[in-house]
Amino acid sequence: DGGITQSPKYLFRKEGQNVTLSCEQNLNHDAMYWYRQDPGQGLRLIYYSQIVNDFQKGDIAEGYSVSREKKESFPLTVTSAQKNPTAFYLCASRSLVRGAHQPQHFGDGTRLSIL
Amino acid sequence: AQTVTQSQPEMSVQEAETVTLSCTYDTSENNYYLFWYKQPPSRQMILVIRQEAYKQQNATENRFSVNFQKAAKSFSLKISDSQLGDTAMYFCAFMKLLYGGATNKLIFGTGTLLAVQP
Repeated sequence: DGGITQSPKYLFRKEGQNVTLSCEQNLNHDAMYWYRQDPGQGLRLIYYSQIVNDFQKGDIAEGYSVSREKKESFPLTVTSAQKNPTAFYLCASRSLVRGAHQPQHFGDGTRLSIL
Repeated sequence: AQTVTQSQPEMSVQEAETVTLSCTYDTSENNYYLFWYKQPPSRQMILVIRQEAYKQQNATENRFSVNFQKAAKSFSLKISDSQLGDTAMYFCAFMKLLYGGATNKLIFGTGTLLAVQP
């Protein structure tokens, strides 16, 4: 079955440590996105990518970094510069074929907590 | 900048009853899409229904329908014959219509937690 796989499901970070969240899709989607979800704030866009080796900052990119070396993969690194990383992180992807209205499909998310 | 407002943090409905979730948005754009996503306790985001702003007819998907009022910038979701499995957080989302791909970002509201009571 096609879909988006995020791993791990739960992740713990120590002070000063960088951690990487994995997102892999086998939907052959061109565009991929990372969102952060906090209680009472809905989803906020961190980074997005339309094509391999290219990505753009979203609304809350500070303290995060991404790479897009393969079409299927869009890992997110939460760096030590992100002072409040505890949140639920959702990865999404979207087809860019057949116009602009294709919806985003989401993974099951990763919950990141500070130790 | 676009904003999406969901003014009902929590709602409750009896099984088999009908419930309406509210959403308003602010934009100066004329062409855009609106979505309702459902997030059950499993935390997966599931697309419920979508509406193209240039279509006057309200979208319908089985028990889910919308009341799209473009002039009022309102986009409410009606769930008929509510089922226990409808218990979830519901998010309203806006997407500007830009041809050319990934820059069509989703702007989300803060969500409404719906509890369906047996």
